[in-house]
Amino acid sequence: NAGVTQTPKFQVLKTGQSMTLQCAQDMNHNSMYWYRQDPGMGLRLIYYSASEGTTDKGEVPNGYNVSRLNKREFSLRLESAAPSQTSVYFCASSEPGAMDEKLFFGSGTQLSVL
Amino acid sequence: GQSLEQPSEVTAVEGAIVQINCTYQTSGFYGLSWYQQHDGGAPTFLSYNALDGLEETGRFSSFLSRSDSYGYLLLQELQMKDSASYFCAVRNSGNTPLVFGKGTRLSVIA
Repeated sequence: NAGVTQTPKFQVLKTGQSMTLQCAQDMNHNSMYWYRQDPGMGLRLIYYSASEGTTDKGEVPNGYNVSRLNKREFSLRLESAAPSQTSVYFCASSEPGAMDEKLFFGSGTQLSVL
Repeated sequence: GQSLEQPSEVTAVEGAIVQINCTYQTSGFYGLSWYQQHDGGAPTFLSYNALDGLEETGRFSSFLSRSDSYGYLLLQELQMKDSASYFCAVRNSGNTPLVFGKGTRLSVIA
């Protein structure tokens, strides 16, 4: 099982450029998430999708959009990248209703905006 | 809203025991989780407590006191490979996503 797959692993953008981060999971999970991680800030939730067809804002949604393409795929789009969006981005998935409802994370995307 | 407090750094000696504390303030409470993250890697699930008490998984244990809004992760027989960041995380309800603390960086020294 691949688990959660994120692409790309690294990306450098210029200010104002756009890009989409891709995420796919093969565990048949209903819920998917996008987090960003900055030094000393822990993991902050950008957007999540509790189930196919629904998306909700997290703690830091400004400057991002998401699409839950189907049950497997959840993409994150930066329409006009800014240096403040330089970060490591993690996609995760889980199956709600389980007692521990643990998150499974992808390997991350390191994004630099110049 | 929610807030979680955990120490930013802890240093411990190989073979020793270390405790990483987490206090939380939430409007509701559904459980406390712990995740481990090695440098350059992704977070991985360690443990979950929904009820008061101690949960043990090998060298790792996690404790929860709901009345004190407090939990801790206990690592025994420390090994160099335990050097990593450890995050506590809480959920308000069964329908809300996890909120993470800022993490504790554990350094294990010889």
